[in-house]
Amino acid sequence: GQQLNQSPQSMFIQEGEDVSMNCTSSSIFNTWLWYKQEPGEGPVLLIALYKAGELTSNGRLTAQFGITRKDSFLNISASIPSDVGIYFCAGQLSGGSQGNLIFGKGTKLSVKP
Amino acid sequence: NAGVMQNPRHLVRRRGQEARLRCSPMKGHSHVYWYRQLPEEGLKFMVYLQKENIIDESGMPKERFSAEFPKEGPSILRIQQVVRGDSAAYFCASSPQYSTSSGNTIYFGEGSWLTVV
Repeated sequence: GQQLNQSPQSMFIQEGEDVSMNCTSSSIFNTWLWYKQEPGEGPVLLIALYKAGELTSNGRLTAQFGITRKDSFLNISASIPSDVGIYFCAGQLSGGSQGNLIFGKGTKLSVKP
Repeated sequence: NAGVMQNPRHLVRRRGQEARLRCSPMKGHSHVYWYRQLPEEGLKFMVYLQKENIIDESGMPKERFSAEFPKEGPSILRIQQVVRGDSAAYFCASSPQYSTSSGNTIYFGEGSWLTVV
């Protein structure tokens, strides 16, 4: 099946540092979504991207939809302890049905105070 | 401002029993999706439904699994004759009508954790 390669798999950083993670694929996507999931909870939508080249911010978070439509990155600036969690990218394939999202395997973020 | 509501949050079933998971979409949302998440994995799409219609069930196992979204009431994911491998978190999501200006924004519920013993 289709795959998204999300990296890094995990990150251990110091509070205040910036974080960058990305997702790549060999397939073309119409939509990229970034979610955060905490233990025992559902994914919470952070940023949604709908156009190639689009750069969108949500507070300290910034995400971009790659020009080739095959990749996306998420940056978190000045990390804080509550940023801890698992971050997932998800994409909707070009030609795919609405809501049939392909998820990456997640980036587990740990922040040391 | 209720989000996507799922129940039960936790369900324990013995092998061979049936599991029923319920989902009420966000107010104003007419599209419902079910996803499954195994430990340490990302979510995997199962099925996409609109009221009284299954739109895309390409991710549903061929046997024992079924889903419905009736005209009235919540969407239900039903798993018959559960086996240990069905143990997972099942997430429901919903979205409003797709628009070219805002794309398709999908919001997830808090999940139903199924344990088969």
